[in-house]
Amino acid sequence: SYELTQPPSVSVSPGQTARITCSGDALPKKYAYWYQQKSGQAPVLVIYEDSRRPSGISGRFSGSTSGTMATLTISGAQVEDEADYYCYSTDSSDTHPYWVFGGGTKLTVL
Amino acid sequence: EVQLVESGGALVQPGGSLRLSCEGFGFTFSNYWMTWVRQVPGKGLEWVANIKQDGTEKYYVDSVKGRFTISRDNAKNTLYLQMSSLRAEDTAMYYCARDRSIFDYWGQGTLVTVSS
Repeated sequence: SYELTQPPSVSVSPGQTARITCSGDALPKKYAYWYQQKSGQAPVLVIYEDSRRPSGISGRFSGSTSGTMATLTISGAQVEDEADYYCYSTDSSDTHPYWVFGGGTKLTVL
Repeated sequence: EVQLVESGGALVQPGGSLRLSCEGFGFTFSNYWMTWVRQVPGKGLEWVANIKQDGTEKYYVDSVKGRFTISRDNAKNTLYLQMSSLRAEDTAMYYCARDRSIFDYWGQGTLVTVSS
């Protein structure tokens, strides 16, 4: 199987930059995606293909990768950015492709 | 407007069976892979299964292989998840999502509780 590892929690003050990391052995060759999930709601895509931002997503959100680590950066974090964030990616073996979410990171902005 | 509407969640005893449905609206259902994702209350997201546009390819997370079956009826714009031999650890909110490498639309989820 394949695993993506995220820190359980990140905390920043409003206006600070929050960085959430995601590590996985296949990330050098597979894209990372990031989803935001607020309490009681379905997830929402905030970054795709490592660094691309969907239309309608705030410019505060950006993504990057380096080696086996992907990073979601929230510049000037706001209280409304408080949520759980999940990275997502894929891998493949000789017999079976894998799709997997990271364990999630709870972002606190206060 | 694109919408996905899940149904079928319920309280079921361990060892029981259940079929979830996900009906798509506002897009050409047969053009997209579809995926089921679940979330244990208070826990993280888990990819469960996906299915190709024509149903010829299906993949499952190891923990549900042999117990769950994903299928679709493109004429009815509906995705299914047949779950059998249910265990307590299958208790979760089950979401369907439209899959074009990104999950761009999600349903609201349907809750499955496995308990005696």
